[in-house]
Amino acid sequence: DAMVIQNPRYQVTQFGKPVTLSCSQTLNHNVMYWYQQKSSQAPKLLFHYYDKDFNNEADTPDNFQSRRPNTSFCFLDIRSPGLGDAAMYLCATSRDGTGTSYEQYFGPGTRLTVT
Amino acid sequence: GENVEQHPSTLSVQEGDSAVIKCTYSDSASNYFPWYKQELGKGPQLIIDIRSNVGEKKDQRIAVTLNKTAKHFSLHITETQPEDSAVYFCAASFSKFYFGSGTKLNVKP
Repeated sequence: DAMVIQNPRYQVTQFGKPVTLSCSQTLNHNVMYWYQQKSSQAPKLLFHYYDKDFNNEADTPDNFQSRRPNTSFCFLDIRSPGLGDAAMYLCATSRDGTGTSYEQYFGPGTRLTVT
Repeated sequence: GENVEQHPSTLSVQEGDSAVIKCTYSDSASNYFPWYKQELGKGPQLIIDIRSNVGEKKDQRIAVTLNKTAKHFSLHITETQPEDSAVYFCAASFSKFYFGSGTKLNVKP
């Protein structure tokens, strides 16, 4: 089945130790998104790629970076995780996203714990 | 930017009853309104959506209504079942999603 896959599902990292979360999709969608979701809150958009074009949200900390080496894969890098970065990280995809809106399909998320 | 307000924050209903969740938005340019269901420890799952050229859409026990003039839209779940228990998020979008704050629905058997 076509889907959005996130690995790992659970990640524990130490304070200040770089960590990378991965997302892959078999939907062949143009747009890939990274959201941060803290407990009992709505998902917060960090950035998205439209094809190879990177779009950062204005309030996304510099500590968060992303790479999209090809259509199928997208990575979230947290350079120096702090305790406040502990959250669920959600990857989503949509077929398109310019000028009008398309359905976004979410992966199962990666739960990040910072010790 | 867009501002989406969602009410109530928690909703408890008896199995078989109906549940209604309401959202308002501020940006008249928003033209797409999805609803997501999120179960504990899982990613949001799209359950129904509506575009601004439609006033109502139904899919079995789930329906969504949209009032563009008043800038509000609602999710209706009929004949609720315990497996409907989850957090529901609305969103409004033109080019990116603005989520509501979520409603925790508890369906009591």
